[in-house]
Amino acid sequence: EAQVTQNPRYLITVTGKKLTVTCSQNMNHEYMSWYRQDPGLGLRQIYYSMNVEVTDKGDVPEGYKVSRKEKRNFPLILESPSPNQTSLYFCASSLSWQTTPYEQYFGPGTRLTVT
Amino acid sequence: EDKVVQSPLSLVVHEGDTVTLNCSYEVTNFRSLLWYKQEKKAPTFLFMLTSSGIEKKSGRLSSILDKKELFSILNITATQTGDSAVYLCAVEALANTGNQFYFGTGTSLTVIP
Repeated sequence: EAQVTQNPRYLITVTGKKLTVTCSQNMNHEYMSWYRQDPGLGLRQIYYSMNVEVTDKGDVPEGYKVSRKEKRNFPLILESPSPNQTSLYFCASSLSWQTTPYEQYFGPGTRLTVT
Repeated sequence: EDKVVQSPLSLVVHEGDTVTLNCSYEVTNFRSLLWYKQEKKAPTFLFMLTSSGIEKKSGRLSSILDKKELFSILNITATQTGDSAVYLCAVEALANTGNQFYFGTGTSLTVIP
């Protein structure tokens, strides 16, 4: 089954404790992206990646890191989480960014709480 | 500043009604506009629009884009309770190093039996 998976689905952590949220897709998609969703603010793009070893900042990259060492994986790293990073996080992937635009497929989401 | 604005913020209708959801945008280097449906989980894709004036249809849902006036509408006819959800509009923009996506805050639709 074609899908985007994220782990963990729920996470409660404390301020300053480094964490990684994994994202994996099995559709051979080139484009991958991370979003956070907050009430009243909608979905905001954190980072995106056009292909392996190519990443760039979205609208709200502060406090986050990403890496793209393999095509299928795009982990989101919070080196020192703070309470304002409490949010619902979505990973998404798309077939290609270079030619015809394609829709993004979203993972199930990760609910992160930082206390 | 690139932005996407959706209206109304919320809508309550009765089954069988027809609704129109609006999405206006100000985005540099527009590439496409997308509509998603979100029901307390991940957004699911509805439509992608790239050309003005060409209606996309899927069952009772349809959407059209006006690139001159910078807006799109999503129509749902003969609404059903299963249409209750948040509908998200997103605009894809070409950036120097790839594509960025800008989302509106969504329209919350509630369909009453």
